[in-house]
Amino acid sequence: QVQLVESGGGLVKPGRSLRLSCAASGFTFSDYYMSWIRQAPGKGLEWVSYIGDSGSIYYADSVKGRFTISRDNAKNSLYLQMNSLRDEDTAVYYCVRVGDVSGWFDPWGQGTLVTVSA
Amino acid sequence: SYELTQPPSVSVSPGQTASITCSGDKLGDKYVCWYQQQPGQSPVLVMYQDSKRPSGIPERFSGSKSGNTVTLTISGTQAMDEADYYCQAWDSRGVVFGGGTKLTVL
Repeated sequence: QVQLVESGGGLVKPGRSLRLSCAASGFTFSDYYMSWIRQAPGKGLEWVSYIGDSGSIYYADSVKGRFTISRDNAKNSLYLQMNSLRDEDTAVYYCVRVGDVSGWFDPWGQGTLVTVSA
Repeated sequence: SYELTQPPSVSVSPGQTASITCSGDKLGDKYVCWYQQQPGQSPVLVMYQDSKRPSGIPERFSGSKSGNTVTLTISGTQAMDEADYYCQAWDSRGVVFGGGTKLTVL
């Protein structure tokens, strides 16, 4: 079955960096757009970034210039390099498959918590 | 920036019909998806392209659109349907989620 497993979250100080990873299985990873979506504690969902199957990339304004999404199709893996982290980046980060271009998000990983605090 | 507006909360009695709305500028020209999030769980897709139900989602979930408002309807609501629901659409700058609606079954 389709599975997405995130890792790399943790506690980090403001201004520091963190790299999230997502291991995909159960589908042909290279055929799909992939995305990162986050949820701050007690808040709603916020789209972060997505990457196309051929490398097209888009970011939310809130992370543009600080976060970098990438993928390794040979390793069936998605990444999110987060630099210059801020308190407001504290959230659970979900790795999500995009069902179609400009389409739906399904399935979602279990999420990894990133806490930015001094 | 583009915004999707949902009511913060909706209450329904068991067995009754719950309707959750999502509105936005020119939403009639976009496809909308809906996600259900149970407490402590990851979101689950329950509707895509306005009114298509993914496999495994009960038939009591349905979607519709009228003008710039999209509605998720749950017929014969069950206690297990109590959750947060989010609508989502794409615009020229990326992906937008509604603020979420807490559905209470009481």
